[in-house]
Amino acid sequence: QVQLQESGPGLVKPSQTLSLTCTVSGGSISSGGYYWSWIRQHPGKGLEWIGYIYYSGSTYYNPSLKSRVTISVDTSKNQFSLKLSSVTAADTAVYYCARAAGLLSPGWYFDLWGRGTLVTVSS
Amino acid sequence: EIVLTQSPATLSLSPGERATLSCRASQSVSSYLAWYQQKPGQAPRLLIYDASNRATGIPARFSGSGSGTDFTLTISSLEPEDFAVYYCQQRSNSFTFGPGTKVDIK
Repeated sequence: QVQLQESGPGLVKPSQTLSLTCTVSGGSISSGGYYWSWIRQHPGKGLEWIGYIYYSGSTYYNPSLKSRVTISVDTSKNQFSLKLSSVTAADTAVYYCARAAGLLSPGWYFDLWGRGTLVTVSS
Repeated sequence: EIVLTQSPATLSLSPGERATLSCRASQSVSSYLAWYQQKPGQAPRLLIYDASNRATGIPARFSGSGSGTDFTLTISSLEPEDFAVYYCQQRSNSFTFGPGTKVDIK
């Protein structure tokens, strides 16, 4: 079955760029129909959607983060990536990659998640 | 931005009891609402989508209802594995999540 796995540095310095990659296994990003998302969870807090990308490269970002976020896709590697610039301690969180089914069932909800990776912003 | 509020923040119940969780939206989201379960150290799991449809593999003791601004997740009889945090999420206008309700053992 399809699985997602996040990877990237667990520690980022303030003002630098956070970079994470999500590897999709057991299925192809290029098969279409699904929207590949990043979601974060601040320690002990709720969930915040960051943005998504379609295999074609089209993106949609959370307006509150849009100025600092870039999501890209590499179909040859079956991966998609997150870059968050100018990070501060407020960006410390567990970052999840997730899949939304779009027009497929169950629709615009997140039916598959990676295990998450903790990113700490600290000097 | 559509803001979701959940109540109560914590629900203390015993196994076998019925759990009723509430999610209220700051404006109508039609039926575009989902519920997730999250256990410590795990990613959220989709339980209910479009307010009342159970996701694949979700037991029948979980049910959802509501439309517009008021929604309910009901767990008919709590099993030991149901003690967790539950989040609602809307997809009517972008994507936002509620702050969660923790269901813990009384």
